[in-house]
Amino acid sequence: DAKTTQPPSMDCAEGRAANLPCNHSTISGNEYVYWYRQIHSQGPQYIIHGLKNNETNEMASLIITEDRKSSTLILPHATLRDTAVYYCIVRGLRAGGTSYGKLTFGQGTILTVHP
Amino acid sequence: EPEVTQTPSHQVTQMGQEVILRCVPISNHLYFYWYRQILGQKVEFLVSFYNNEISEKSEIFDDQFSVERPDGSNFTLKIRSTKLEDSAMYFCASRPGSSYNEQFFGPGTRLTVL
Repeated sequence: DAKTTQPPSMDCAEGRAANLPCNHSTISGNEYVYWYRQIHSQGPQYIIHGLKNNETNEMASLIITEDRKSSTLILPHATLRDTAVYYCIVRGLRAGGTSYGKLTFGQGTILTVHP
Repeated sequence: EPEVTQTPSHQVTQMGQEVILRCVPISNHLYFYWYRQILGQKVEFLVSFYNNEISEKSEIFDDQFSVERPDGSNFTLKIRSTKLEDSAMYFCASRPGSSYNEQFFGPGTRLTVL
């Protein structure tokens, strides 16, 4: 799996957009970028994933650069409840199209949303 | 909304004792996982389980650990003889079985070994 690099911590004001970067310069063609978050020792929570196109869901947007070597998770209007550790994880698919199972978590980015 | 549940939320045990951590995955999911997180450290993969057998395990998952899906709904992690260093949060997760890797995690069991 490709290695990812994230800043250890970031701050964001409540109501503003939080932009969390991730570098994955060794990503290969069949590897997806996943984002999870963990709020204060709760179980990790899936946020979003993408391959090469930008993705948006009800929680966030994912912007992947054209060369796929980096990505940005955007929380458009951060709230205090978004304070968490955010993990960027790169995972591939097996030759038959099924996913490898395990998730390899790094240290992530501690996002603190302040009033 | 369906969710993964885990019991107990907190387990305290003496070193050398056996513990069983229980999980009820989401009902139509096919892949099941255990992870652990030692206080202040990263979430670490332990084992994955599919079609009633282990599909992958980490170096942490040695002979002291075992998993079972005894009745089609529960998924258990057993530690045969606990050590102090087994103290951690243990998270169960499940996945539908699609090619994507959206795993749904439970709230965790905090295991304290004295």
